[in-house]
Amino acid sequence: NAGVTQTPKFQVLKTGQSMTLQCAQDMNHEYMSWYRQDPGMGLRLIHYSVGAGITDQGEVPNGYNVSRSTTEDFPLRLLSAAPSQTSVYFCASSYGTAPPPYEQYFGPGTRLTVT
Amino acid sequence: TQLLEQSPQFLSIQEGENLTVYCNSSSVFSSLQWYRQEPGEGPVLLVTVVTGGEVKKLKRLTFQFGDARKDSSLHITAAQPGDTGLYLCAGGDNQGGKLIFGQGTELSVKP
Repeated sequence: NAGVTQTPKFQVLKTGQSMTLQCAQDMNHEYMSWYRQDPGMGLRLIHYSVGAGITDQGEVPNGYNVSRSTTEDFPLRLLSAAPSQTSVYFCASSYGTAPPPYEQYFGPGTRLTVT
Repeated sequence: TQLLEQSPQFLSIQEGENLTVYCNSSSVFSSLQWYRQEPGEGPVLLVTVVTGGEVKKLKRLTFQFGDARKDSSLHITAAQPGDTGLYLCAGGDNQGGKLIFGQGTELSVKP
């Protein structure tokens, strides 16, 4: 199993450009999430999904869109990049049969710089 | 809004010393998780505590969940350079994909 994979690892964008961060998992996990990590602020939830076709907003959703057409993939779209979106982005997946919360399996991250 | 405050934010100690990291909130959480993150990688789960007053040990690491389920602590005995990393606590809100993270404690253990 590859676990959770993210592409690209690094990206530089100009203000106003759009792009999609890719995330895929091969563990058949039903839950997937996107976080951003900024110095001194821990991880903040952007969007999450409890299954294919179902998504919801987290703490900091503005400027980002997601969709979940398959169990495996959960892409994050930046609509019009802004310098405030410079961050490290982590995708995570989880599953469970007991009461939540469940262990999050994180990808290696995408380091995004917006100039 | 549920918040988790971690302290200290930075900790630099010598090999062999003991340390404690705290994770506090004014809200009650159904459970708390502790993750460790190394540079350039995603966080990895260390432990989940679910019962108020629960204590779990993982080799030299001891995790405790407060009786009121509003706080947790991580104690490391005889720290080693391999313990260096960012330690994150995370609280669950009963939704499988939603966790609230603390801001992290950056630990550096010098040989």
